[in-house]
Amino acid sequence: EAQVTQNPRYLITVTGKKLTVTCSQNMNHEYMSWYRQDPGLGLRQIYYSMNVEVTDKGDVPEGYKVSRKEKRNFPLILESPSPNQTSLYFCASSLSGGKLFFGSGTQLSVL
Amino acid sequence: GQQVMQIPQYQHVQEGEDFTTYCNSSTTLSNIQWYKQRPGGHPVFLIQLVKSGEVKKQKRLTFQFGEAKKNSSLHITATQTTDVGTYFCAGMDSSYKLIFGSGTRLLVRP
Repeated sequence: EAQVTQNPRYLITVTGKKLTVTCSQNMNHEYMSWYRQDPGLGLRQIYYSMNVEVTDKGDVPEGYKVSRKEKRNFPLILESPSPNQTSLYFCASSLSGGKLFFGSGTQLSVL
Repeated sequence: GQQVMQIPQYQHVQEGEDFTTYCNSSTTLSNIQWYKQRPGGHPVFLIQLVKSGEVKKQKRLTFQFGEAKKNSSLHITATQTTDVGTYFCAGMDSSYKLIFGSGTRLLVRP
Protein backbone atom coordinates (compact mmCIF):
# COMPACT_ATOMS: atom_id res chain seq x y z
CA GLU A 1 0.00 0.00 0.00
CA ALA A 2 1.34 3.45 -0.96
CA GLN A 3 1.87 5.45 2.16
CA VAL A 4 3.86 7.96 4.17
CA THR A 5 4.74 6.64 7.62
CA GLN A 6 5.49 8.98 10.50
CA ASN A 7 6.62 8.06 13.96
CA PRO A 8 5.85 8.59 16.72
CA ARG A 9 2.17 9.52 16.61
CA TYR A 10 2.36 11.35 19.94
CA LEU A 11 5.37 12.71 21.77
CA ILE A 12 5.73 14.59 25.04
CA THR A 13 9.16 15.90 25.88
CA VAL A 14 10.90 18.57 27.91
CA THR A 15 12.67 21.71 26.82
CA GLY A 16 16.15 21.08 25.45
CA LYS A 17 15.94 17.32 25.00
CA LYS A 18 16.87 16.44 21.44
CA LEU A 19 14.29 14.49 19.47
CA THR A 20 13.78 13.05 16.00
CA VAL A 21 10.52 12.44 14.18
CA THR A 22 10.92 9.89 11.44
CA CYS A 23 9.22 9.94 8.05
CA SER A 24 9.38 7.27 5.38
CA GLN A 25 7.57 6.89 2.03
CA ASN A 26 7.34 3.83 -0.21
CA MET A 27 6.30 5.56 -3.45
CA ASN A 28 9.75 6.48 -4.75
CA HIS A 29 8.84 10.16 -4.55
CA GLU A 30 11.57 12.73 -5.15
CA TYR A 31 9.89 15.49 -3.16
CA MET A 32 9.41 15.38 0.61
CA SER A 33 8.40 18.09 3.03
CA TRP A 34 7.64 18.83 6.67
CA TYR A 35 4.78 21.03 7.84
CA ARG A 36 3.55 22.19 11.19
CA GLN A 37 -0.12 22.85 11.80
CA ASP A 38 -1.26 25.35 14.40
CA PRO A 39 -4.84 26.58 15.01
CA GLY A 40 -5.76 29.40 12.67
CA LEU A 41 -2.43 29.26 10.82
CA GLY A 42 -3.00 26.36 8.48
CA LEU A 43 -0.05 24.31 7.31
CA ARG A 44 3.31 26.04 7.37
CA GLN A 45 6.28 24.51 5.63
CA ILE A 46 9.37 23.86 7.75
CA TYR A 47 11.80 22.24 5.31
CA TYR A 48 11.54 20.45 2.02
CA SER A 49 13.72 18.25 -0.14
CA MET A 50 13.64 17.95 -3.92
CA ASN A 51 15.82 14.83 -3.91
CA VAL A 52 18.55 12.96 -2.05
CA GLU A 53 21.07 15.29 -0.40
CA VAL A 54 19.05 18.34 -1.48
CA THR A 55 17.20 20.22 1.27
CA ASP A 56 15.85 23.76 1.51
CA LYS A 57 14.27 25.95 4.14
CA GLY A 58 10.56 26.51 4.10
CA ASP A 59 8.73 29.34 5.83
CA VAL A 60 9.45 28.42 9.46
CA PRO A 61 12.80 26.55 9.59
CA GLU A 62 14.18 28.04 12.82
CA GLY A 63 14.86 25.40 15.46
CA TYR A 64 14.61 22.46 13.06
CA LYS A 65 17.02 20.33 11.04
CA VAL A 66 16.43 17.73 8.37
CA SER A 67 18.46 15.29 6.33
CA ARG A 68 17.83 13.34 3.13
CA LYS A 69 20.44 10.62 2.92
CA GLU A 70 18.08 8.15 1.27
CA LYS A 71 15.17 8.79 -1.06
CA ARG A 72 12.59 7.17 1.17
CA ASN A 73 13.49 8.81 4.51
CA PHE A 74 13.25 12.42 5.64
CA PRO A 75 13.66 12.77 9.42
CA LEU A 76 12.88 15.98 11.28
CA ILE A 77 15.30 16.83 14.07
CA LEU A 78 14.73 19.22 16.96
CA GLU A 79 18.14 19.72 18.55
CA SER A 80 16.86 21.73 21.51
CA PRO A 81 13.06 21.79 21.56
CA SER A 82 11.24 24.73 23.09
CA PRO A 83 7.58 25.12 24.12
CA ASN A 84 6.79 27.20 21.01
CA GLN A 85 7.50 24.09 18.96
CA THR A 86 4.49 22.36 20.49
CA SER A 87 2.43 21.61 17.41
CA LEU A 88 1.01 19.00 15.07
CA TYR A 89 3.61 17.96 12.50
CA PHE A 90 3.00 16.39 9.11
CA CYS A 91 5.41 14.83 6.69
CA ALA A 92 4.38 14.72 3.03
CA SER A 93 5.77 13.47 -0.25
CA SER A 94 5.00 13.82 -3.94
CA LEU A 95 6.30 13.40 -7.41
CA SER A 96 7.70 16.85 -8.15
CA GLY A 97 4.88 19.40 -8.27
CA GLY A 98 2.16 16.82 -7.94
CA LYS A 99 -0.34 15.97 -5.28
CA LEU A 100 0.97 15.60 -1.76
CA PHE A 101 0.58 12.39 0.23
CA PHE A 102 0.57 13.13 3.95
CA GLY A 103 1.59 11.02 6.90
CA SER A 104 -0.77 10.56 9.84
CA GLY A 105 0.86 13.32 11.85
CA THR A 106 2.88 13.66 15.04
CA GLN A 107 1.42 15.60 17.96
CA LEU A 108 4.37 17.07 19.83
CA SER A 109 4.17 18.68 23.25
CA VAL A 110 7.25 20.40 24.66
CA LEU A 111 7.00 21.13 28.38
CA GLY B 1 6.33 36.92 0.23
CA GLN B 2 3.55 35.08 -1.46
CA GLN B 3 0.38 34.63 0.57
CA VAL B 4 -2.73 32.58 0.06
CA MET B 5 -5.72 33.92 1.96
CA GLN B 6 -8.68 31.63 2.59
CA ILE B 7 -12.14 32.57 3.86
CA PRO B 8 -14.19 31.98 5.82
CA GLN B 9 -12.30 30.52 8.75
CA TYR B 10 -15.38 28.63 9.95
CA GLN B 11 -18.74 27.75 8.44
CA HIS B 12 -21.56 26.06 10.30
CA VAL B 13 -24.39 24.87 8.05
CA GLN B 14 -27.54 22.84 8.29
CA GLU B 15 -27.35 19.53 6.47
CA GLY B 16 -28.61 20.07 2.94
CA GLU B 17 -27.38 23.65 2.69
CA ASP B 18 -24.63 24.66 0.30
CA PHE B 19 -21.10 25.65 1.33
CA THR B 20 -18.37 27.65 -0.38
CA THR B 21 -14.79 28.45 0.58
CA TYR B 22 -12.62 30.95 -1.26
CA CYS B 23 -8.91 31.37 -1.78
CA ASN B 24 -7.02 34.41 -2.98
CA SER B 25 -3.35 34.65 -3.84
CA SER B 26 -1.22 37.76 -3.89
CA THR B 27 0.56 36.44 -6.99
CA THR B 28 -0.31 34.44 -10.08
CA LEU B 29 -0.29 30.70 -9.44
CA SER B 30 0.96 27.82 -11.59
CA ASN B 31 -1.74 25.61 -10.16
CA ILE B 32 -3.94 25.27 -7.13
CA GLN B 33 -4.65 22.14 -5.14
CA TRP B 34 -7.43 21.40 -2.66
CA TYR B 35 -7.20 19.13 0.37
CA LYS B 36 -9.65 17.88 2.97
CA GLN B 37 -8.70 17.09 6.54
CA ARG B 38 -11.21 15.17 8.64
CA PRO B 39 -11.16 15.85 12.40
CA GLY B 40 -8.14 14.07 13.90
CA GLY B 41 -6.88 13.10 10.46
CA HIS B 42 -4.35 14.21 7.93
CA PRO B 43 -4.90 16.29 4.78
CA VAL B 44 -6.06 14.27 1.79
CA PHE B 45 -5.71 15.51 -1.78
CA LEU B 46 -8.96 16.31 -3.54
CA ILE B 47 -8.05 17.93 -6.84
CA GLN B 48 -5.59 20.07 -8.78
CA LEU B 49 -6.55 22.90 -11.14
CA VAL B 50 -4.05 24.14 -13.69
CA LYS B 51 -5.76 26.11 -16.45
CA SER B 52 -7.12 29.63 -16.28
CA GLY B 53 -10.90 29.54 -15.75
CA GLU B 54 -10.89 25.79 -15.16
CA VAL B 55 -13.93 24.19 -13.52
CA LYS B 56 -13.92 20.62 -12.24
CA LYS B 57 -16.62 18.63 -10.51
CA GLN B 58 -16.49 15.69 -8.18
CA LYS B 59 -20.04 14.60 -7.38
CA ARG B 60 -21.38 17.42 -5.14
CA LEU B 61 -18.07 19.33 -5.12
CA THR B 62 -17.31 22.02 -7.71
CA PHE B 63 -13.86 23.56 -7.96
CA GLN B 64 -13.04 26.73 -9.89
CA PHE B 65 -9.79 28.44 -10.82
CA GLY B 66 -10.03 32.11 -11.65
CA GLU B 67 -9.24 33.62 -15.03
CA ALA B 68 -6.22 35.44 -13.63
CA LYS B 69 -5.06 32.29 -11.81
CA LYS B 70 -5.04 34.18 -8.52
CA ASN B 71 -8.21 32.88 -6.93
CA SER B 72 -10.11 29.67 -6.51
CA SER B 73 -13.23 28.35 -4.87
CA LEU B 74 -14.68 25.08 -3.64
CA HIS B 75 -18.46 24.76 -3.57
CA ILE B 76 -20.31 21.87 -1.97
CA THR B 77 -23.94 21.39 -2.94
CA ALA B 78 -26.36 19.98 -0.38
CA THR B 79 -23.88 19.28 2.39
CA GLN B 80 -23.91 16.00 4.25
CA THR B 81 -22.47 15.12 7.67
CA THR B 82 -19.68 13.26 5.87
CA ASP B 83 -18.48 16.62 4.49
CA VAL B 84 -17.36 17.74 7.96
CA GLY B 85 -13.71 18.71 8.12
CA THR B 86 -11.27 21.44 7.23
CA TYR B 87 -10.75 22.32 3.58
CA PHE B 88 -7.40 23.74 2.51
CA CYS B 89 -6.36 25.31 -0.73
CA ALA B 90 -2.68 25.27 -1.67
CA GLY B 91 -1.28 27.47 -4.39
CA MET B 92 1.88 26.69 -6.28
CA ASP B 93 3.97 29.60 -7.47
CA SER B 94 6.38 29.78 -10.41
CA SER B 95 9.23 28.39 -8.32
CA TYR B 96 7.17 25.25 -7.45
CA LYS B 97 6.69 26.42 -3.88
CA LEU B 98 3.35 25.30 -2.46
CA ILE B 99 1.67 27.73 -0.05
CA PHE B 100 -1.31 26.58 1.98
CA GLY B 101 -4.26 28.73 2.91
CA SER B 102 -5.27 28.76 6.56
CA GLY B 103 -8.23 26.46 5.90
CA THR B 104 -12.00 26.61 6.30
CA ARG B 105 -13.50 24.43 8.96
CA LEU B 106 -16.91 23.08 7.94
CA LEU B 107 -19.39 21.92 10.57
CA VAL B 108 -22.68 20.34 9.48
CA ARG B 109 -25.77 20.16 11.72
CA PRO B 110 -27.72 16.96 11.08
